[in-house]
Amino acid sequence: DSGVTQTPKHLITATGQRVTLRCSPRSGDLSVYWYQQSLDQGLQFLIQYYNGEERAKGNILERFSAQQFPDLHSELNLSSLELGDSALYFCASSPKSGGTDTGELFFGEGSRLTVL
Amino acid sequence: SQQGEEDPQALSIQEGENATMNCSYKTSINNLQWYRQNSGRGLVHLILIRSNEREKHSGRLRVTLDTSKKSSSLLITASRAADTASYFCATDATGRRALTFGSGTRLQVQP
Repeated sequence: DSGVTQTPKHLITATGQRVTLRCSPRSGDLSVYWYQQSLDQGLQFLIQYYNGEERAKGNILERFSAQQFPDLHSELNLSSLELGDSALYFCASSPKSGGTDTGELFFGEGSRLTVL
Repeated sequence: SQQGEEDPQALSIQEGENATMNCSYKTSINNLQWYRQNSGRGLVHLILIRSNEREKHSGRLRVTLDTSKKSSSLLITASRAADTASYFCATDATGRRALTFGSGTRLQVQP
């Protein structure tokens, strides 16, 4: 058990809909990372937050957004869903800010999104 | 885009044999990490090697890093059926704030 909690574990929805994925980091970790894992694209970095502020942005679509709340949990919002958004979405946490040295990441079990 | 590429994509061995996976990357790095993922589960950190280190050991794992060739290898000795998983290298590239993962090696250890 990594200590990172993600909900829901599975989600099935239709194209055009909007969903919210939730992540609670390990106790004491200030950084939260979101990754998308799909068969054709592999593991893609989406976005990172550190202590409530956005720190880094990766291949995140404009239809996707995220935030980190004062209690450090984070939410990833996916809107106008398309079939290609079907994937495993992982949250990972770290005590480091990810500046000059990104240390070990602790991953949750992921949220499997299926868009029909 | 993926910074690291693992080789081979898939590997099947017998229990007790050693497994070697390779990772190549493109830019300068602060550190390189290896992770394991059991089917459909979250990734688990195995080992981190810094850019100024050449070799590191952890239990049955041995990692090497050659920054001149921009490559790393992960050796699992005396493999067990429980080692069956996908293995990913991840680079902490200079100037980036997040790990970039490779495409992974699927390891199958036959009992």
